[in-house]
Amino acid sequence: AQSVSQHNHHVILSEAASLELGCNYSYGGTVNLFWYVQYPGQHLQLLLKYFSGDPLVKGIKGFEAEFIKSKFSFNLRKPSVQWSDTAEYFCAVTNSGTYKYIFGTGTRLKVLA
Amino acid sequence: GAVVSQHPSWVICKSGTSVKIECRSLDFQATTMFWYRQFPKQSLMLMATSNEGSKATYEQGVEKDKFLINHASLTLSTLTVTSAHPEDSSFYICSAPGLGTEAFFGQGTRLTVV
Repeated sequence: AQSVSQHNHHVILSEAASLELGCNYSYGGTVNLFWYVQYPGQHLQLLLKYFSGDPLVKGIKGFEAEFIKSKFSFNLRKPSVQWSDTAEYFCAVTNSGTYKYIFGTGTRLKVLA
Repeated sequence: GAVVSQHPSWVICKSGTSVKIECRSLDFQATTMFWYRQFPKQSLMLMATSNEGSKATYEQGVEKDKFLINHASLTLSTLTVTSAHPEDSSFYICSAPGLGTEAFFGQGTRLTVV
């Protein structure tokens, strides 16, 4: 069965620290990869996505992620976090051509001012 | 961008009663919508696919008689949790496909059954 693993359930960082959130998926076919962020009381918001092409994807708010096919990974990074990045982050996968998402368990990030 | 609105954002109900959650696509039409559920410390899990004008398709292990889905129009899908019990307490999110290759999500509904 397909699955998505997020290794960090809770992360606490100080402002200006660098961030890397791990995401691994299990699926042998062609996938689309996503990172979503959810601020308290708000919608899931797309940070970035990978479908094909350059495996280093840049998203909004200074986030980027790198698709490493050989490792089935799609880790999220940000060089310098801000207090406003405090939120929950979800990695997700879809099979190409479908809108059925498989989500990771989410990572709660808290950034200390 | 496209907006999907869910209502209510949170609801508390008594055990044995039914609760309806609405999911609306505000500025686009959606012939298909998806319902997800998230238990504490677990992933968002797909429950069912809502199809406008036809029956919903449910994922394995999801009781279709308990989670009634109606896709009455091209902009509205509803999920009714019937005879709710405390174990149905969860976070429910809907989504609708956009024009591209990603879906748009509602803000979610926190259901607490007491």
